[in-house]
Amino acid sequence: EDQVTQSPEALRLQEGESSSLNCSYTVSGLRGLFWYRQDPGKGPEFLFTLYSAGEEKEKERLKATLTKKESFLHITAPKPEDSATYLCAVQLGTSGGYQKVTFGTGTKLQVIP
Amino acid sequence: NAGVTQTPKFQVLKTGQSMTLQCAQDMNHNSMYWYRQDPGMGLRLIYYSASEGTTDKGEVPNGYNVSRLNKREFSLRLESAAPSQTSVYFCASSEATGGALHFGNGTRLTVT
Repeated sequence: EDQVTQSPEALRLQEGESSSLNCSYTVSGLRGLFWYRQDPGKGPEFLFTLYSAGEEKEKERLKATLTKKESFLHITAPKPEDSATYLCAVQLGTSGGYQKVTFGTGTKLQVIP
Repeated sequence: NAGVTQTPKFQVLKTGQSMTLQCAQDMNHNSMYWYRQDPGMGLRLIYYSASEGTTDKGEVPNGYNVSRLNKREFSLRLESAAPSQTSVYFCASSEATGGALHFGNGTRLTVT
């Protein structure tokens, strides 16, 4: 069964304290891995797509990396406005039709001033 | 640019009542989706529409129906609401199936 596991479930950081969030997956035929940010009461907001092991994407204080079994979202010198829930989703490669996307349950990040 | 707009934002229903959740996108996307989000569970796909004129079941379609009214609009209908359908419902769109999803801000539904 395809599984996506995010850890930790919750993370509390001091402003400026860098850390990483993990997304591990057990799927066959990975087509892509997505990271989203979700603020309370809002829908998820797209951050990155990664397609192959070794790929990296950056946006401001965030950097996403991908290996064959997991992805990391590195947060460098976080600010309080980075507080949110970060969701990971994996997409399977299939021939034609809908390509199944499985979401993890997220990591809730709190950055304390 | 509004992106994906969902209405209503909040709704309370009694068991057995029906309602339709509305969704519209202004990004000229081909594919649209309905997800539900429950505590401790990842987003789960209810139905999707790969392109105008087509709809297909996702992981949890029971108790729901959908209509792709045109390229912009995709509605979700609950014919006879049950307490198990208490959830937050998100509509999303993408240029094509397999692309990054753009989500609305959700409808918070409570069924008593």
